[in-house]
Amino acid sequence: QSALTQPASVSGSPGQSITISCTGTSSDVGNYNFVSWYQQHPGKAPKLMISEVTKRPSGVSNRFSGSKSGNTASLTISGLQAEDEADYYCCSHAGRTTFVVFGGGTKLTVL
Amino acid sequence: EVQLLESGGGLVQPGGSLRLSCAASGFTFSNYGMTWVRQAPGTGLEWVSTISGSGKGIYSADSVKGRFTISRDNSKDTLYLQMNSLRAEDTAVYYCAKGTVVGTRAFDYWGQGTLVTVSS
Repeated sequence: QSALTQPASVSGSPGQSITISCTGTSSDVGNYNFVSWYQQHPGKAPKLMISEVTKRPSGVSNRFSGSKSGNTASLTISGLQAEDEADYYCCSHAGRTTFVVFGGGTKLTVL
Repeated sequence: EVQLLESGGGLVQPGGSLRLSCAASGFTFSNYGMTWVRQAPGTGLEWVSTISGSGKGIYSADSVKGRFTISRDNSKDTLYLQMNSLRAEDTAVYYCAKGTVVGTRAFDYWGQGTLVTVSS
């Protein structure tokens, strides 16, 4: 049950756009449209930002968007704001045995 | 308002047991799959176990198979995680999370977490 691969850190200035990648395999990201993204601020519980690759839950800013190509999913945050500074985790369904696998997490710094 | 409230964490010796509970409110509990996710200090999220709304479907990570058992009591709107043969590497904050309307592969609400520390 290998974790999905994310960059350890990304950064951007307020107003800019950033993209966080999440690379899996043909057994998880590449085989299912069940990729989700979570935002976690220090000491807080994770918050769902994107589900099913591209779907944004009610209340989540439209500055957050998701996509997928092959075995790699991506989260894009446009118009960076200070409050976006957090850890971000991707997650994918991985079949009936492994079921769910998370990425290692990416720390977003807003400069 | 959906609320998930975990309890039962604490300090336990290696080889010991602990049962976590997650009291749910604000939604029809039996209609949704539920999941336990843990986070060791300073590390990322790790999926632990998932149970379907009926309780008939259960999935667990290899790292906890044979030691941890997920269950639910739909009459009490409560999710459980029975943890046996605990190891130091099980030390983590344990979150319960609610599956989305589509299924149990994404989690739209999370509890605040309960800390489990395995140490002698």
